[in-house]
Amino acid sequence: DGGITQSPKYLFRKEGQNVTLSCEQNLNHDAMYWYRQDPGQGLRLIYYSQIVNDFQKGDIAEGYSVSREKKESFPLTVTSAQKNPTAFYLCASRGEIQETQYFGPGTRLLVL
Amino acid sequence: GENVEQHPSTLSVQEGDSAVIKCTYSDSASNYFPWYKQELGKGPQLIIDIRSNVGEKKDQRIAVTLNKTAKHFSLHITETQPEDSAVYFCAASILTGGGNKLTFGTGTQLKVEL
Repeated sequence: DGGITQSPKYLFRKEGQNVTLSCEQNLNHDAMYWYRQDPGQGLRLIYYSQIVNDFQKGDIAEGYSVSREKKESFPLTVTSAQKNPTAFYLCASRGEIQETQYFGPGTRLLVL
Repeated sequence: GENVEQHPSTLSVQEGDSAVIKCTYSDSASNYFPWYKQELGKGPQLIIDIRSNVGEKKDQRIAVTLNKTAKHFSLHITETQPEDSAVYFCAASILTGGGNKLTFGTGTQLKVEL
């Protein structure tokens, strides 16, 4: 069963804690993306990666970090520097010659 | 950078009626315009897309039109059904070596009433 998986579905963060959101794809896609979605707003790009071991900042990268050690995986870490982390986080991927980005089911991050 | 505006923010129609959602973009270099449907608590799903060398594209009850001169594009849903109720997002991007970054509109909550 091919697709994009994100885990966990819900994640709780305590003050001062770093948390990592998982994104895995078995579509053999080269490019992967992380977006943040807040109520009543569109999706905003956090980071993206076009190839393994390379990634670029999006529009709202402050307080976040990523790695791309494997083609299939693009984890996102929400650091303690992100002061307003409560949001719905979406991962997407795209094939090399494709135009379309395909999205995972999302992770909802809540602050305790 | 690119800015995408989307209207209306909410839209309520009767079952069987048509629904139209409109978006404008600012960067004339944008050449790819997808539309996504998002159901509550789920990730967005692509429903239709259009490239700038095409003025209109249709897929069953869904169509998208693009006016490059005016820099706006619209989603048309005909014969709406209750299962069309969701949030719809438009987006724009430039298909070059820039990573195909999508800029999204703020979404339209469509409600189809029986």
